[in-house]
Amino acid sequence: EVQLLESGGGLVQPGGSVRLSCEASGFTFNNYAMTWVRQAPGRGLEWVSGISGSGGGTYSADSVKGRFTLSRDNSKNTVYLQMNSLRAEDTAMYYCAKGVIFGVAGSFDIWGQGTMVTVFS
Amino acid sequence: QSVLTQPPSASATPGQRVTISCSGSSSNIGTNTVNWFQQVPGTAPKVLIYSNNQRPSGVPERFSGSKSGTSASLAISGLQSEDEADYYCAAWDDSLNAYVFGTGTKVTVL
Repeated sequence: EVQLLESGGGLVQPGGSVRLSCEASGFTFNNYAMTWVRQAPGRGLEWVSGISGSGGGTYSADSVKGRFTLSRDNSKNTVYLQMNSLRAEDTAMYYCAKGVIFGVAGSFDIWGQGTMVTVFS
Repeated sequence: QSVLTQPPSASATPGQRVTISCSGSSSNIGTNTVNWFQQVPGTAPKVLIYSNNQRPSGVPERFSGSKSGTSASLAISGLQSEDEADYYCAAWDDSLNAYVFGTGTKVTVL
């Protein structure tokens, strides 16, 4: 069974840092892109960042460029989202999603249950 | 700010058909395939349609997608109570080098 398990969310102060992890199982991890999508309370879905199957290509939304870094360790079947300089507007449920192709531009077929990040002062 | 525009809401009675539009531009829908996601409040999204009109296994045939130019549509025929959810279109944007989601449409079954 294909599964994604996110972890690392919690409460953090503005300007602080958090690292989210997403551990995958049930598929050949390095064959597929991985993505993070977030959803602020009561708001719609917002794509955050995506990484290709090899990790050689990463893309991020303008809203997080320079602050968030996406990486993956294919030996551990895990993708990481390092979130620095956090702002109140980063408060959201963060979902990890599996791509359907090697590259970042495809759709996502499996989503994790999400991990909540709350930035508060 | 979303670059794909959807109507905020749609509604119909059980058994009827509902259509949700998604308007984009030449850099996203006009060039790349469209995907549709369903999200029941309080749960993670799930993919309904990928590559404009393909249904993953397990998605009922009453969900269908189409694309024309810089717009796309999701149709739900034979509407059922469990279809009450939020629906999002999405596509890769070549100008932004980013994946973009629609503004979302809340479907209500009357």
